[in-house]
Amino acid sequence: GNSVTQMEGPVTLSEEAFLTINCTYTATGYPSLFWYVQYPGEGLQLLLKATKADDKGSNKGFEATYRKETTSFHLEKGSVQVSDSAVYFCALRGSEAAGNKLTFGGGTRVLVKP
Amino acid sequence: NAGVTQTPKFRVLKTGQSMTLLCAQDMNHEYMYWYRQDPGMGLRLIHYSVGEGTTAKGEVPDGYNVSRLKKQNFLLGLESAAPSQTSVYFCASSSTGGYNQPQHFGDGTRLSIL
Repeated sequence: GNSVTQMEGPVTLSEEAFLTINCTYTATGYPSLFWYVQYPGEGLQLLLKATKADDKGSNKGFEATYRKETTSFHLEKGSVQVSDSAVYFCALRGSEAAGNKLTFGGGTRVLVKP
Repeated sequence: NAGVTQTPKFRVLKTGQSMTLLCAQDMNHEYMYWYRQDPGMGLRLIHYSVGEGTTAKGEVPDGYNVSRLKKQNFLLGLESAAPSQTSVYFCASSSTGGYNQPQHFGDGTRLSIL
C-alpha cells in the first residue's frame, strides 16, 4: 500500500535560518504529492502541491519538487520566521485512490526562535 | 465563509459512554472524511463518504460508525467509548473537480476517554 515517511521532529531553528524537511514516499503509479501545515489549535491547511514528476510546488516562500527517481518531496524555505512555527505534514494521493483519499506522514514539528 | 465546522471542540467521556461528533461544510463538497490524529502517527483515515447517503471504511474504522444523511453533514459516532479512542478528531471535505483537489479541514475535536 501507499506510505509516507518524513523526518521526525522537533526541528528547532533560529529566525532567518534555512529549513529542510525530508519526505519520501512509496506508491504505485503516479501519485500527487502535498504538504499541509497545522498551526497550534487549528486544522490542517494546504501549503503546496505537485501533481507530476519534476513539478515544483511553491507558496509563502516554501518550495518542494516532486522527484520520482528518488521518490521524494522535500520541503524547503530559505529564511524562516517565527510565524512558520507549526507542524508540517507530507501527504500523497495515489493514482488509484477512490474518493480522493490521502495518506499522511507522521508530521514534523518546527519551532522557530527569534 | 465558515468552511468546515466541527462540534464540539472538546469533550471528556467515561469508558462505555456514547457520543456523536458533528461535521458541517458549506462548500457543497461531495467528499467528506473523518481522521484521528495521534502523536507521531500523523492523520489516519477512519471513514469517508463520496456523496450523500454513502459511507466507506478507512484505515482505522473499528469502534466508529458514520452517517451522511445530508450532503453538508458527516457524523462520527462512538457507540461505546474506550480509552484507546482518546485522540484529536478532524473532519475534512473536498470537491470532485479533479482528483488533485485539496482537502479542507475543520479545527478539530479533542476527545478524552477516562
